Amino acid sequence: GESVGLHLPTLSVQEGDNSIINCAYSNSASDYFIWYKQESGKGPQFIIDIRSNMDKRQGQRVTVLLNKTVKHLSLQIAATQPGDSAVYFCAETNSGGSNYKLTFGKGTLLTVNP
Amino acid sequence: DTAVSQTPKYLVTQMGNDKSIKCEQNLGHDTMYWYKQDSKKFLKIMFSYNNKELIINETVPNRFSPKSPDKAHLNLHINSLELGDSAVYFCASSWTARTEAFFGQGTRLTVV
Repeated sequence: GESVGLHLPTLSVQEGDNSIINCAYSNSASDYFIWYKQESGKGPQFIIDIRSNMDKRQGQRVTVLLNKTVKHLSLQIAATQPGDSAVYFCAETNSGGSNYKLTFGKGTLLTVNP
Repeated sequence: DTAVSQTPKYLVTQMGNDKSIKCEQNLGHDTMYWYKQDSKKFLKIMFSYNNKELIINETVPNRFSPKSPDKAHLNLHINSLELGDSAVYFCASSWTARTEAFFGQGTRLTVV
């Protein structure tokens, strides 16, 4: 069936290092992808998005890479800080006419050690 | 100003009771959602509304009844609560499913 999944459920990094969180998806019709950050006790918060006509998009300290050939998405966080500790989700949707939903991956817990 | 607000934040209730969770968004979005997050943090869509109309019902038991009185509100009523309903429920909104969704703070429902 269609699914969005993550390779690593947990990731522990040292403060100042770069972090890479990966996500695989199986629906080839997916054309819009979002990374969310969820801190403890809060709702998911938008980080960055990318559409299928792009393979890379950069934000402030974050970069999303999209490889449609292998249906893979990654989130790179530069100079990881303790405040980056959270669960990170990838989410996808496609441009089907009535597809009003985001499908979320399982989440990766990022822990930043000072 | 809170963009997507849901109340209550915590809800503890006994099995068999009926409860409601309210959600309001002040972003002018056309689409609103309810998601359920289980103990393993998995987020799953329950309902999606567009301009007050139900678009998606992801095989949710009919004990769950969403109601959208207007575009800015999407409430969730749950009848005959069961232990398995314990989870965190998130309301969200977006312009469409192809734009980012903004989430509320969540309602932690505990059924005892």
